[in-house]
Amino acid sequence: QKEVEQDPGPLSVPEGAIVSLNCTYSNSAFQYFMWYRQYSRKGPELLMYTYSSGNKEDGRFTAQVDKSSKYISLFIRDSQPSDSATYLCAMTKNRDDKIIFGKGTRLHILP
Amino acid sequence: SAVISQKPSRDICQRGTSLTIQCQVDSQVTMMFWYRQQPGQSLTLIATANQGSEATYESGFVIDKFPISRPNLTFSTLTVSNMSPEDSSIYLCSVESEERDEKLFFGSGTQLSVL
Repeated sequence: QKEVEQDPGPLSVPEGAIVSLNCTYSNSAFQYFMWYRQYSRKGPELLMYTYSSGNKEDGRFTAQVDKSSKYISLFIRDSQPSDSATYLCAMTKNRDDKIIFGKGTRLHILP
Repeated sequence: SAVISQKPSRDICQRGTSLTIQCQVDSQVTMMFWYRQQPGQSLTLIATANQGSEATYESGFVIDKFPISRPNLTFSTLTVSNMSPEDSSIYLCSVESEERDEKLFFGSGTQLSVL
């Protein structure tokens, strides 16, 4: 079983829809969870950062962590064509440990 | 967040040659990281570069293939040596946040194609 599993997509949804992106992981020691957004021909940019379980909201974005299920989600409300990108989940035990990335999910928001 | 400039942004190289990728940061950082992003694969850490010491390589990556320089706190280079088509990938420079927590900031990457 891989440490982090992420469906590569592509995921296509109409503009204005709610998008749900997910990752599962196997290492129960992970405590820090991140979502990165990567536009074509650009480097990943940090979108959301959460510690342990719970929800975190930032504008149209909500990150959710369920450590009991080893499952994290990113929700995008009122999706826009500018949200079209690849979304990478990432996680680590602590700052001294290597960050493990998912393969990324390609998202297309259809106008 | 740090501003990271990486160049070249893309290159097409011949088998057996070498390419040096440069990474410039607009602030002093202790640790710089080099990642590889192959199509359909996760971001993979190649090595960690600290100023004034040898880079630390991850399993599967060796200094002869990916020599790294870190002459000061704002600059690093990664060389991909004796390239083969399997080295075709995106190479990314990264730095940690000023708070030295788990957040990473990335350059725009170098798209390398080896013929």
